[in-house]
Amino acid sequence: DQQVKQNSPSLSVQEGRISILNCDYTNSMFDYFLWYKKYPAEGPTFLISISSIKDKNEDGRFTVFLNKSAKHLSLHIVPSQPGDSAVYFCAANGYALNFGKGTSLLVTP
Amino acid sequence: DTAVSQTPKYLVTQMGNDKSIKCEQNLGHDTMYWYKQDSKKFLKIMFSYNNKELIINETVPNRFSPKSPDKAHLNLHINSLELGDSAVYFCASSQESGARAGGYTFGSGTRLTVV
Repeated sequence: DQQVKQNSPSLSVQEGRISILNCDYTNSMFDYFLWYKKYPAEGPTFLISISSIKDKNEDGRFTVFLNKSAKHLSLHIVPSQPGDSAVYFCAANGYALNFGKGTSLLVTP
Repeated sequence: DTAVSQTPKYLVTQMGNDKSIKCEQNLGHDTMYWYKQDSKKFLKIMFSYNNKELIINETVPNRFSPKSPDKAHLNLHINSLELGDSAVYFCASSQESGARAGGYTFGSGTRLTVV
């Protein structure tokens, strides 16, 4: 049973605009949420995380928002750059990381 | 200097064979993991070892056997390979079990193809 869901398999955004990637989860016991970025033929790399006691965490162009009541989090990338084109995985920390299926982001010039 | 390294990167083998995938981390982390990414791109935990001790063993066929000779290594041995075992296998490590805010460090993956 999938506890972390990314319902958009792909997203296309113009360079300079905002990219918003969404994630939903079902288990209210998760205490940390993380975003990973993955390029083809490479492993996922850690991008940003947020504790369940916070509602926002920012790191440069990347901001993660958490809405616990809705069991929803989102990753905002502003401004988007062509190098951001990758697959983005949402993950939640239980006894191990539970991953969503990923959203493929394409940033076009 | 690669933090988490897996070998081989690609593995093509026939059904029924036995194969191993090796993983080594030089980060000094205490916990290591094996994840499987299937054809639907879903990343799923298989095993986790903390300081050579098995702590997570998901519902994985007995044909899969992890071995951790020391805390820097976690190898995956697969017996009697089946077509459905074809996937990308990722090794990962973390400073502690669960790795709250810091996340895991992943290897680049081993693409296993069973023919």
